Amino acid sequence: AQKITQTQPGMFVQEKEAVTLDCTYDTSDQSYGLFWYKQPSSGEMIFLIYQGSYDEQNATEGRYSLNFQKARKSANLVISASQLGDSAMYFCAMREGQKGGGGSNYKLTFGKGTLLTVNP
Amino acid sequence: KAGVTQTPRYLIKTRGQQVTLSCSPISGHRSVSWYQQTPGQGLQFLFEYFSETQRNKGNFPGRFSGRQFSNSRSEMNVSTLELGDSALYLCASSPGGSEQFFGPGTRLTVL
Repeated sequence: AQKITQTQPGMFVQEKEAVTLDCTYDTSDQSYGLFWYKQPSSGEMIFLIYQGSYDEQNATEGRYSLNFQKARKSANLVISASQLGDSAMYFCAMREGQKGGGGSNYKLTFGKGTLLTVNP
Repeated sequence: KAGVTQTPRYLIKTRGQQVTLSCSPISGHRSVSWYQQTPGQGLQFLFEYFSETQRNKGNFPGRFSGRQFSNSRSEMNVSTLELGDSALYLCASSPGGSEQFFGPGTRLTVL
């Protein structure tokens, strides 16, 4: 079974409107983290937002917010007031693993991504 | 603070050759991870190093190897290249918390 599922291969949104990108995950760990990254055509992965499994509040970073529904195992990204520069691939990722002394011992498992196109 | 740097940015090799990619993490970051991105398989974890020790390894054949130096810079090596190794190879560094910061990647083409 896939650990991270992004069901929307592509999404379109009008400039200045809000858009929600879906992400569901599967893990038996109690402690885990969920990430969203943006990848423009240049290839670099840009960190957007992080949600820890024990965080009670939904994470927000500027125009990005993460709608975390733990019981449903979903971590949807909401982008408010879309801009043309938001057009890119968006990846949801999960960290599982143990915290080791001096740092985190983990790897990221990524979904297949959603290609977002913002129309003027 | 300078970001994660990867060299070279582009590389063309032929089947059977070997290649070494380099990653310099953000200053102060001791964890370095490597990922392979292909259109078919997406982003896949290769390995993670912390203080010169490999702590985690993905499901890749032994042709893929890596190491980390005392200054936290990391290299990954692919021997006996195959056509399917053509990919974008991304390196990420972490200060040990929750975030991972990615470099611009090395795009490897195997002919």
